[in-house]
Amino acid sequence: EVQLVESGGGLVQPGGSLRLSCAASGFTCSDHYMDWVRQVPGKGLEWVGRTRNKANSYTTEYAASVKGRFIISRDDSKNSLYLQMNSLKTEDTALYYCARVIYSSGWVAFDIWGQGTMVTVSS
Amino acid sequence: DIQLTQSPSFLSASVGDRVTITCRASQGISSYLAWYQQKPGKAPKLLIYTASTLQSGVPSRFSGSGSGTEFVLTISSLQPEDSATYYCQQVNSYPLTFGGGTKVEIK
Repeated sequence: EVQLVESGGGLVQPGGSLRLSCAASGFTCSDHYMDWVRQVPGKGLEWVGRTRNKANSYTTEYAASVKGRFIISRDDSKNSLYLQMNSLKTEDTALYYCARVIYSSGWVAFDIWGQGTMVTVSS
Repeated sequence: DIQLTQSPSFLSASVGDRVTITCRASQGISSYLAWYQQKPGKAPKLLIYTASTLQSGVPSRFSGSGSGTEFVLTISSLQPEDSATYYCQQVNSYPLTFGGGTKVEIK
């Protein structure tokens, strides 16, 4: 079964750090662009960032709201994706999803999503 | 950044009704638009990509149209299980952005 499972969420103080993990199964993660998306409970979806596939050297893109604080990385040996979150702010509180990007004349949509992991930034 | 404006933000319709949701982009995005359905407590589910391509396994009552700046998601005959929030997303340029969502309620 093709699936993504996130972990690593929790409660952290403002200014703190947290690393989220996303374990892929049923497909080879390195073949795909992979993204992180977040959602404040009861609110809309916000794109966080992207790591391109191995063929594109795993280069990354980030939303302005997290650039310089968040880092996306991968571990091919574990078929996993990570989101290192530093200098956390209260406004980073959200449910964080990882998602697989599908290709159709471009990387066009997120076809597989994890169940999400909740990050709460509060003192 | 490309802004996506969905309308309406809420709609209530009866089983069997034809429902349309509009997504307008602040600048042209060709056909690089996707639609997702999200039910409470669940991750979003991909319905449509490249504006009009139905994702595998999605019922044929869902369809998408449009290009440039105006896009439409249509549910041809609303079913009880279609009660959800629907989001559009542009993948034309970074940062990727989502619309604000349309909550669909069954009367």
